[in-house]
Amino acid sequence: GENVEQHPSTLSVQEGDSAVIKCTYSDSASNYFPWYKQELGKGPQLIIDIRSNVGEKKDQRIAVTLNKTAKHFSLHITETQPEDSAVYFCAASSQGGSEKLVFGKGTKLTVNP
Amino acid sequence: DSGVTQTPKHLITATGQRVTLRCSPRSGDLSVYWYQQSLDQGLQFLIQYYNGEERAKGNILERFSAQQFPDLHSELNLSSLELGDSALYFCASSGRGAVDTIYFGEGSWLTVV
Repeated sequence: GENVEQHPSTLSVQEGDSAVIKCTYSDSASNYFPWYKQELGKGPQLIIDIRSNVGEKKDQRIAVTLNKTAKHFSLHITETQPEDSAVYFCAASSQGGSEKLVFGKGTKLTVNP
Repeated sequence: DSGVTQTPKHLITATGQRVTLRCSPRSGDLSVYWYQQSLDQGLQFLIQYYNGEERAKGNILERFSAQQFPDLHSELNLSSLELGDSALYFCASSGRGAVDTIYFGEGSWLTVV
């Protein structure tokens, strides 16, 4: 089955700096790659996703890139703010959407003021 | 607020006991998913129901079972509880298709003592 590896497990940056979180997946049939943000005491919330027919997608300060050949995808957050502090999860699915999502272990991002 | 409602928010019970976790999906969503989140295993997919029928099964133990009722709410039953079952259990829902975004509830904290 699918296996998703996520790095780093913790990341600390200064406010205004960029943050990058990387994930690799094992199943070449995977075609949907969402990223979730989980704040303390809350459930994961979708922040951006990308499908396998697209190499990059951007939404304001957040961007995701996908390299299908290398089977890895990354989350880029620019101009980080303290409210970006949370745990971020990547996931992959071969079903084109939310079904059978396999999650990475998460990255705890801390943005220091 | 994702629109997915989970009860109870916190639950403490003894080993060997049985508990039921309840989930109300977002209005109009037909799919319900159950996930288990623990520190060492991360977010693990347990089971998915679509319009009352089991759609996909993940790493769900035989001691656990779930169902989705005609009004689309779902229940996750956990029996013969062990200390290792202590975790955060999330319910999530999505719309009609596999490509729809999945929305998570805020979770039910289960502590087995």
